[in-house]
Amino acid sequence: GQSLEQPSEVTAVEGAIVQINCTYQTSGFYGLSWYQQHDGGAPTFLSYNALDGLEETGRFSSFLSRSDSYGYLLLQELQMKDSASYFCAVSPGDNFNKFYFGSGTKLNVKP
Amino acid sequence: DSGVTQTPKHLITATGQRVTLRCSPRSGDLSVYWYQQSLDQGLQFLIQYYNGEERAKGNILERFSAQQFPDLHSELNLSSLELGDSALYFCASTPRQEVAAGELFFGEGSRLTVL
Repeated sequence: GQSLEQPSEVTAVEGAIVQINCTYQTSGFYGLSWYQQHDGGAPTFLSYNALDGLEETGRFSSFLSRSDSYGYLLLQELQMKDSASYFCAVSPGDNFNKFYFGSGTKLNVKP
Repeated sequence: DSGVTQTPKHLITATGQRVTLRCSPRSGDLSVYWYQQSLDQGLQFLIQYYNGEERAKGNILERFSAQQFPDLHSELNLSSLELGDSALYFCASTPRQEVAAGELFFGEGSRLTVL
């Protein structure tokens, strides 16, 4: 089986930095993905880490530690439009056709 | 616009009924995934097809079934509907059999309300 754990909700102010954590347990592992979803909208892909370390894409960065089964999404210079839910996701090693999402972290950005 | 098209966008029906949700993947994508998202919940993986064949099953109920047709569009059939089936149903596609580099392209979803 597999499980992905994320905090349910995080609040931060505009201009700040916020980190959203994800710990996973899977039977085998290919990489960790992050998705953003605004209320009622379609999830959109943000980033992917296959190897340990930090990947940076503009204001967003994602980190992976395979030995700790842990990753995080870092959002810098927060803007009001970043208020959304953020999901981590994995393909388990027993069947790489599957793709599982965590329960999501709702980010509230306040002025 | 991801290029994935889902119809209908909204659907209201009664308990015990049957509905069909349709998904057209991005041009060239062979793999289709279906997810269910209940209110304020995560995305529950239901089923995946690749080039017309079922390749992976998640937490899909026996009352639900799906298929992928030769033109690569997919349909999700939900029968004997219950109140708890009310949810957003998302379809996503990707070019390969697996989710390469972790990227799936999602449609806008079909919102099902069961009364």
